[in-house]
Amino acid sequence: KNEVEQSPQNLTAQEGEFITINCSYSVGISALHWLQQHPGGGIVSLFMLSSGKKKHGRLIATINIQEKHSSLHITASHPRDSAVYICAVQSNQGAQKLVFGQGTRLTINP
Amino acid sequence: DTEVTQTPKHLVMGMTNKKSLKCEQHMGHRAMYWYKQKAKKPPELMFVYSYEKLSINESVPSRFSPECPNSSLLNLHLHALQPEDSALYLCASSQRTGGYTEAFFGQGTRLTVV
Repeated sequence: KNEVEQSPQNLTAQEGEFITINCSYSVGISALHWLQQHPGGGIVSLFMLSSGKKKHGRLIATINIQEKHSSLHITASHPRDSAVYICAVQSNQGAQKLVFGQGTRLTINP
Repeated sequence: DTEVTQTPKHLVMGMTNKKSLKCEQHMGHRAMYWYKQKAKKPPELMFVYSYEKLSINESVPSRFSPECPNSSLLNLHLHALQPEDSALYLCASSQRTGGYTEAFFGQGTRLTVV
């Protein structure tokens, strides 16, 4: 079992729909990252969080430390939101690397 | 300036060639990383540099040779690569390794080995 599990692996929705992507992890963490990657492109950091909730525009990220679970929400989704969304965690055991989930491929149709 | 700049964006090389990938950041970050990403897979860590010293080598073959000449620059020297080494190579940086520290990624170099 991977240390970081995302669901769903693939998600297709219509423009305007509310989107939720989930991330569960099994290790103690100091930070959780949500990242976005467009096809063939580099990675953009959307959020870094260790507790509570953060909002940026139409994107909202939440984390529940006790349940080891985080969600990324997109409100009023748009075709330009189509991308791969990756959850990554920074272990609190002194590790120097991010542990990545497998990613969620999101397609928003007009 | 919150950018990590990678050059070149695309590279095609033969199996006998020697080439280098370059990564630069001017955010004062003291941790820099090389990742390899195959299609439809998450990035895989290759190397971590902390304060210009190699701190993690994830058992990467010696045909990949990293170099950190100063705190702003990270190179990846390539020699005698195989076609299966074709991938997107991503560089990242952060203020330090570990802890609550944001990672910044470059746009990547798409490498094709022929």
